[in-house]
Amino acid sequence: DIQLTQSPSFLSASVGDRVTITCRASQGISSYLAWYQQKPGKAPKLLIYAASTLQSGVPSRFSGSGSGTEFTLTISSLQPEDFATYYCQQLNSYPITFGQGTRLEIK
Amino acid sequence: QVQLVESGGGVVQPGRSLRLSCAASGFTFSSYAMHWVRQAPGKGLEWVAVISYDGSNKYYADSVKGRFTISRDNSKNTLYLQMNSLRAEDTAVYYCARSELGYCSGGSCFFDAFDIWGQGTMVTVSS
Repeated sequence: DIQLTQSPSFLSASVGDRVTITCRASQGISSYLAWYQQKPGKAPKLLIYAASTLQSGVPSRFSGSGSGTEFTLTISSLQPEDFATYYCQQLNSYPITFGQGTRLEIK
Repeated sequence: QVQLVESGGGVVQPGRSLRLSCAASGFTFSSYAMHWVRQAPGKGLEWVAVISYDGSNKYYADSVKGRFTISRDNSKNTLYLQMNSLRAEDTAVYYCARSELGYCSGGSCFFDAFDIWGQGTMVTVSS
């Protein structure tokens, strides 16, 4: 199974900050990586697919990059509604796996 | 609008069975692959199973293989998850989600990211 390790697991930041979350895969997954945002009690929401393609309707302050084994999700200027948990996901092989999550909280 | 609505969750004893449903609306259900993803209380996301648009391809997580069966009825725009021999560790919110076919190679098919999710249904396995 491909393991995805996100860092950090917890992040405290302020409105307006630029933040970056890293996702490392245990083996190469090309660009078959997606990022999701989940708020408490809600379903996940797709932000980025194919490592760097912004899902329709997602604000442009979100961006993704990387390929192979290392990927990043960047939020250029945090907004109050961005405080949530973020997950990466690989779709390169079965089983499909998710990272353990990064909880982003208000400082 | 595009919507997925899960149902069928509840409290069930270990070893018993439960069937979840996911009703789709607002899009051509028969054109999309469908997944089940679960989330144990306070934990992360775990992919459970996928079924291709026509039901010809199915893949499962090892943790549920042989116990859970994914199926679909395109005439009813509905996805199902039959869960047998339930265990305490199956306790979770179960989400259905859709994705498009990515590509097929070497007899296996792979799917794109999950762009639409349902609101989830809670399954509690407890005596």
